[in-house]
Formats: sequence, C-alpha cells, structure tokens
Amino acid sequence: SQQGEEDPQALSIQEGENATMNCSYKTSINNLQWYRQNSGRGLVHLILIRSNEREKHSGRLRVTLDTSKKSSSLLITASRAADTASYFCATAVNTDKLIFGTGTRLQVFP
Amino acid sequence: EPEVTQTPSHQVTQMGQEVILRCVPISNHLYFYWYRQILGQKVEFLVSFYNNEISEKSEIFDDQFSVERPDGSNFTLKIRSTKLEDSAMYFCASSVLAGVMNEQYFGPGTRLTVT
Repeated sequence: SQQGEEDPQALSIQEGENATMNCSYKTSINNLQWYRQNSGRGLVHLILIRSNEREKHSGRLRVTLDTSKKSSSLLITASRAADTASYFCATAVNTDKLIFGTGTRLQVFP
Repeated sequence: EPEVTQTPSHQVTQMGQEVILRCVPISNHLYFYWYRQILGQKVEFLVSFYNNEISEKSEIFDDQFSVERPDGSNFTLKIRSTKLEDSAMYFCASSVLAGVMNEQYFGPGTRLTVT
C-alpha cells in the first residue's frame, strides 16, 4: 500500500448517519492530519493527531490513531448534507512535508 | 478567522511562458509550503520554506520552479517556462509551528491551465 491510502474510496450515506473513513500508512509518523476538500476547492484542516495520541475529538469529528497497525480513522457523527466532500489523510514522517492519501469521497443525502 | 489567501484564482497561460502564483500566509505563521494537485490525482508536496530559505523540495520542484518571500507578507511560486503538464491546482499553506504540531492551513488554490 502507499503512504496514505484511504478506504473506502467512496461512501454514500443518509443525513443523520455516521460516516467512518480509514487511512493506512507505511512508515512511522510525527503526526497525521485530516483535511476536507469540497469539489474543486481548497483544503480545510480538520484535525491533527500526534503519533503519541490515540484519540482526538473536535465537534462531530472523532479521530483515532493506531500506530501499531499504522492506521487512522475519521468518524463524522450525525452527518449533514454539508459534510459532502472528499476527505484526505496526510502524514508527516520525518519532516513537515505532508504526504496525502488518495481520499474518500463522501456523499450525504438529505 | 485568519486565512491563507491566493491570487489569482485561475491563471491561463501559454506553454513556455512564465507565471507567478501569489500567496499571503497567515500573518504570524513562519513556515510556508506549496503543494499541487493535478486533476483527479493526489495532492503533492512541492517545497517548504522557512527563514527565507528552502527547507525541503520534492523531485517535482526542478530548476523551472522558484519561491520567494519578497516582503513581509507575500510568498510566491514562479514557474519559469511552463509546460502542459504543469496544469494543476496549486495550493499554498502555512503553519506557525514545525514538527509534531505542524498544522498546515491551506489557501483556496490557484488553478493553472497551460495551453
């Protein structure tokens, strides 16, 4: 697998449901960050989790990190139509260079 | 809330021409970055910049590319002689810290189209 590979590639849910996206990576990291990108727009920073942290919350977002499995998950609870976007994980390995994953396209139907 | 801004939002240029993409990072940020995203592909790192020097660059960032912080607010990316394959969305990012707390905040991007 590549550094930063999200799964699933696409996810469709109804408003109110929870959405879970996963990210796997290959090498040890300093931190892992999640970003949202609306179609053709910029990247919005959602959350950063450090390599020594296991879980972080921000509003309806919950991120977990399992360094033994080299994986992270992003959970969006009680999803809204406005959450429709692509979600990317990005890892910082030894430097500040972010390596982005392939992204999960989330569609939330009203 | 402070944000990174980029101009222009869309730039169309002919192959072989020089382009300069402009960014205004968040004012108290010290670390600056350029990334690009070719349509339908991953976001790719180009270069990082700190204390008026390039900290790191990728293999994409060849001699045709340069970065500059000409004054206290702007951060520019210059492509000296554009190629068709330079067509992409270019994102500027900035952060206040380096290392494990290096949260990078991205601008809205400049869509570069090379014809």
